Amino acid sequence: NAGVTQTPKFQVLKTGQSMTLQCAQDMNHNSMYWYRQDPGMGLRLIYYSASEGTTDKGEVPNGYNVSRLNKREFSLRLESAAPSQTSVYFCASTPLGAAGLDTQYFGPGTRLTVL
Amino acid sequence: AQRVTQPEKLLSVFKGAPVELKCNYSYSGSPELFWYVQYSRQRLQLLLRHISRESIKGFTADLNKGETSFHLKKPFAQEEDSAMYYCALRAGGTSYGKLTFGQGTILTVHP
Repeated sequence: NAGVTQTPKFQVLKTGQSMTLQCAQDMNHNSMYWYRQDPGMGLRLIYYSASEGTTDKGEVPNGYNVSRLNKREFSLRLESAAPSQTSVYFCASTPLGAAGLDTQYFGPGTRLTVL
Repeated sequence: AQRVTQPEKLLSVFKGAPVELKCNYSYSGSPELFWYVQYSRQRLQLLLRHISRESIKGFTADLNKGETSFHLKKPFAQEEDSAMYYCALRAGGTSYGKLTFGQGTILTVHP
């Protein structure tokens, strides 16, 4: 199993450009998450999907949209990139939301720079 | 709303010395606490959770509800323990597994 995969690994955008970060998992997990990692801020939840067909905002959703395309895939879209969105983005998944089954499995990350 | 605080951004110790990474939280309900670790060029991964009360790679962490803390401890640090450590909290109820992370502590163990 590949676990959680993310594409691309690196991306440079100009302010105002749009792009979609892709995430897929092959572990048949129900819940998926998008985080951003910034120095001194830790990981902050952008959006999550508790199950296929549902999405909800996390702590820092402004400037982002998501799509839970199917059970495997959860994409993050930046419609009009801003320098403040320069960050490392992590996708994660978990089997269920229940206690004891909620270990989060992380992807390798996407390093995004917005100029 | 819940909050997780890791007061030390950087922590340096020598090999063989004890190490303690601090984590404090605020949450009105009954939380679940975790430690996640990111080694160099590896993915973020679960190190341990308070429910399991287990020791992983020599690390232990005890949930102290009175002090709202979940400090990570190891009696004898090893060079391979050098990594970024995140404390995380899962709220109860229908949180759908969402985690609130602390700011992270970079641990460096010198030879």
